[in-house]
This record gives sequence, structure tokens and C-alpha cells, in this order.
Amino acid sequence: GAVVSQHPSRVICKSGTSVKIECRSLDFQATTMFWYRQFPKQSLMLMATSNEGSKATYEQGVEKDKFLINHASLTLSTLTVTSAHPEDSSFYICSARVVGTSGFYNEQFFGPGTRLTVL
Amino acid sequence: QKEVEQNSGPLSVPEGAIASLNCTYSDRVSQSFFWYRQYSGKSPELIMSIYSNGDKEDGRFTAQLNKASQYVSLLIRDSQPSDSATYLCAVKKPGGYNKLIFGAGTRLAVHP
Repeated sequence: GAVVSQHPSRVICKSGTSVKIECRSLDFQATTMFWYRQFPKQSLMLMATSNEGSKATYEQGVEKDKFLINHASLTLSTLTVTSAHPEDSSFYICSARVVGTSGFYNEQFFGPGTRLTVL
Repeated sequence: QKEVEQNSGPLSVPEGAIASLNCTYSDRVSQSFFWYRQYSGKSPELIMSIYSNGDKEDGRFTAQLNKASQYVSLLIRDSQPSDSATYLCAVKKPGGYNKLIFGAGTRLAVHP
């Protein structure tokens, strides 16, 4: 149990285009999902917390108009990188928090990540 | 002071030895602690969670928590080359949304 998927796993786009990344909890409902970014050889950086049915909460320094988050259902959150530029090239990873499932207590499980390259 | 601190390593141990990974945290009211393993180019994978003082064992892994010292550790017994990865310590931040605060990670290298 507690499987999180992400799509696409890898995307290459031209500068100025928008890219949508999907994060799904496959075998549990996730009222809260998290979006992280990781640059090479650096640690995870939390970008935002996504709550089902409400607006996302962004970390300081993360532009909410550039990184649009939609958590439309209990199993799906999406991150859209708008007008992407080369400096947005990174490894984007989502995680989902498991609540109310036997054997789990607030653990977060990560998706496999999406590697974005902006040319 | 960082909220969660780890030695970046690399920690190099021979195959079969015990690897000891350490983590300290600054917020005394933290209550939930997690260890993740991250292979190069991959996303983090949950190894252990611990909530109470003392030891928690799962296979070759043992997590140790000392809230008084604000210290959490991960022991890996009978280390294997496949354990070579970066190990991330994470602490649940008190308050809403259950955010995790991650340490920078310790890189472990197990050599044959």
C-alpha cells in the first residue's frame, strides 16, 4: 500500500512553455500532498502544500503564479510550471500523506519524481 | 542553526559492518521522525518512522530516538553495497499541514 505515482517521469520543453505534472495516490486517499524541488546534489526543498478542495500553501520565496497547484480530488494533485525557463530545470517530486490507514501515522510517501529540462 | 542537521559525509563503511547515521533537530516539541533513503537520481523512499523514545527495529534497520537530547539515529546492520545511498532525516514540524523538515542528508558508501 501507500503507492504514489507521478507523470510524466521526464519532460523536455522549450523556454516559455507550460508544463503540467500529475501526482496520484494509487491505493489511498490523500487530503494533503506536497510538492518538492531538488537541484543536483542538493537536498529537497518544499515548494508548497496542496490540500484537497482548497488553495495551496506556498513556502516563502516560491512564486504561486508561476507554480500553479490544483488538488481537485483526494487522489490527484497537479503542478503546472508556467512560462518555464532554463532555471526551472530541476527534479520535481510530490509526496502524499497517509492518514487513517491501519499501520500508518502521518507518513509521507513520495512519487518517483519528474525530471524537467527547459531548453 | 538549521532545523534538522546531518553530517553530509560521505560515511564509508566496509561491507558487513554497522553504519551509524545521526541527526539532530532544533524544535523541542517535534514528535514524529522519519528516515528516508534516496538513491542517486531517484526519489526518497521511507525506511523507518519513530515517535517514542528508545529503539525501533525493522530488519537490518534500527532507529533510535532521544527527545531529551533532540537526537535521532539510524543504524544499519550487516551493511551491503546496495545500501549505498543518501539517507535523509525528516522531522514533522509542529502545527498544521504536517510538513516535514528534511536534513541535507548523509551520503553512505558501503565498499566490498
